[in-house]
Amino acid sequence: DVKVTQSSRYLVKRTGEKVFLECVQDMDHENMFWYRQDPGLGLRLIYFSYDVKMKEKGDIPEGYSVSREKKERFSLILESASTNQTSMYLCASSYMGLVSGNTIYFGEGSWLTVV
Amino acid sequence: AQSVTQPDIHITVSEGASLELRCNYSYGATPYLFWYVQSPGQGLQLLLKYFSGDTLVQGIKGFEAEFKRSQSSFNLRKPSVHWSDAAEYFCADPYKLSFGAGTTVTVRA
Repeated sequence: DVKVTQSSRYLVKRTGEKVFLECVQDMDHENMFWYRQDPGLGLRLIYFSYDVKMKEKGDIPEGYSVSREKKERFSLILESASTNQTSMYLCASSYMGLVSGNTIYFGEGSWLTVV
Repeated sequence: AQSVTQPDIHITVSEGASLELRCNYSYGATPYLFWYVQSPGQGLQLLLKYFSGDTLVQGIKGFEAEFKRSQSSFNLRKPSVHWSDAAEYFCADPYKLSFGAGTTVTVRA
């Protein structure tokens, strides 16, 4: 089975802190993604990556950055956390070739509360 | 921008009754479309996917979906709902990495 692991399920951080959310996948997937999920808004894409050291902005990249130093690991960084970044964050991965309908696999999510 | 929309935010259905969840897409060419389910506090699990061929797609947990180009729809159905089907359901366009806002399903006894 494909496994996408998010290291932290629940975090509470203070406003202005730097926050790292880590994600690891074990299926040698080329593509990795970070989404945030909010009630009534569904999933919104923050950043994605097609390869090591490569990143592309999604729909809501402001206030976030990412790092992909190794193929299996994709980190989401909040440089200075703010209360409006309180949300559920979902990491996902898939094989290259989205046009062929490759399944996107999700982690269990990280609940971040910024106080 | 979203390329798929789910018109229904919340649906309540009785156990044993049929269920239909709506999804509309806006992509011009033949789209790739997925349905995912999310149980409370969990990540998303793929139910089924459509990317070509037969317009009626069978998935896991007894779900099916029908692609209708004339209506720009990809609705999810289940003939008889179980209490364990209570969850949030998302329609997705994997090519555009876009998800609908989700439909929450409540199952009453």
